[in-house]
Amino acid sequence: NAGVMQNPRHLVRRRGQEARLRCSPMKGHSHVYWYRQLPEEGLKFMVYLQKENIIDESGMPKERFSAEFPKEGPSILRIQQVVRGDSAAYFCASSHIPQGKDGYTFGSGTRLTVV
Amino acid sequence: QQQVKQSPQSLIVQKGGISIINCAYENTAFDYFPWYQQFPGKGPALLIAIRPDVSEKKEGRFTISFNKSAKQFSLHIMDSQPGDSATYFCAARLKNNMLTFGGGTRLMVKP
Repeated sequence: NAGVMQNPRHLVRRRGQEARLRCSPMKGHSHVYWYRQLPEEGLKFMVYLQKENIIDESGMPKERFSAEFPKEGPSILRIQQVVRGDSAAYFCASSHIPQGKDGYTFGSGTRLTVV
Repeated sequence: QQQVKQSPQSLIVQKGGISIINCAYENTAFDYFPWYQQFPGKGPALLIAIRPDVSEKKEGRFTISFNKSAKQFSLHIMDSQPGDSATYFCAARLKNNMLTFGGGTRLMVKP
């Protein structure tokens, strides 16, 4: 079991470019969560997805950010027209439902730097 | 109501000492309280967790104390070691499986 796989590990983008971050959940996990961690800060929830559905996107900025988790393939967090303030570590986690299962498993993150 | 407040932000402990990190919450709908450990450049890893019907849980050198009436919980690391130096996050989960994290505590254990 390879765990939650995120790629790329590091991503550098110029202002105005697009950033695409990928997350493959653990085998058997159908729920994916994206969190953002700014330098020296805690993890902030962005979006919660199941296969082909967005369950909760209350933490995601209304503009420039989108997420998907297609039937086949990894979950994608997409940031259009990146700005310097988007520089952060983006972590994906996955879990197995039903309720009662413990916690999430996090990936190692993608560190986005906007120059 | 979704907030989880964590303190201190940073902590320095001598090797062999006890590290104590505290968290407080407001939302009584939280039903699960995990602690995560994060090393630089890595993702958070689940360390230990507790449910609100239990007042204490111990796993090796790590203990969670839970005070339901005060809406507070804490992590105690006994016999702290330099290898424990990391950032620790408390979290709280709603029934819909969403985790809300505290702001983190950077622990340094001096040899």
